[in-house]
Amino acid sequence: EPEVTQTPSHQVTQMGQEVILRCVPISNHLYFYWYRQILGQKVEFLVSFYNNEISEKSEIFDDQFSVERPDGSNFTLKIRSTKLEDSAMYFCASLQGDGNQPQHFGDGTRLSIL
Amino acid sequence: LAKTTQPISMDSYEGQEVNITCSHNNIATNDYITWYQQFPSQGPRFIIQGYKTKVTNEVASLFIPADRKSSTLSLPRVSLSDTAVYYCLVGLGVSGGYNKLIFGAGTRLAVHP
Repeated sequence: EPEVTQTPSHQVTQMGQEVILRCVPISNHLYFYWYRQILGQKVEFLVSFYNNEISEKSEIFDDQFSVERPDGSNFTLKIRSTKLEDSAMYFCASLQGDGNQPQHFGDGTRLSIL
Repeated sequence: LAKTTQPISMDSYEGQEVNITCSHNNIATNDYITWYQQFPSQGPRFIIQGYKTKVTNEVASLFIPADRKSSTLSLPRVSLSDTAVYYCLVGLGVSGGYNKLIFGAGTRLAVHP
């Protein structure tokens, strides 16, 4: 079964540094999402992306965050200047958009800010 | 999106059937009911989705009464590997009409030997 893949599985970064989290959605999917989950808390929506533009973003997704689909396969989340509170699991999800299909999630990148 | 209420935690033993009930009193006419499963350090995984009555797949069954104000996820003969958090989501189609999914705290199921 096709999967959403995310790299790296674990990223350790110094506070203030830029970090890029990478995702390869399922190949025929058209809608892309980033969520995050702080340890012990709920999964929270960050941003949705369709047709090369952001469809919706949450309050968490401030000016430090950006998303990009640089080619036909990758979907990236960039955090420009990381803060301690950015430490979390970051999940990418994709959706086919044809009929009543579910969002498929990757297994996440654990981001640790020191 | 309709608010959902589900138990914070449940315990079971291997081989038993587990039923997790979710309340969604404000469900709208066009809303579907969707369940996801999440293991530690993994992303949520889609289990099942339904609109009314009963839906069954190779993993679970979903029972939805006529008023649709609640739903019950049924896991037959659980094993230790079913220990996970289970989320009930209600919205327009499985993706909320292609929009964000809103996760609650879920139900933490612990299966014991």
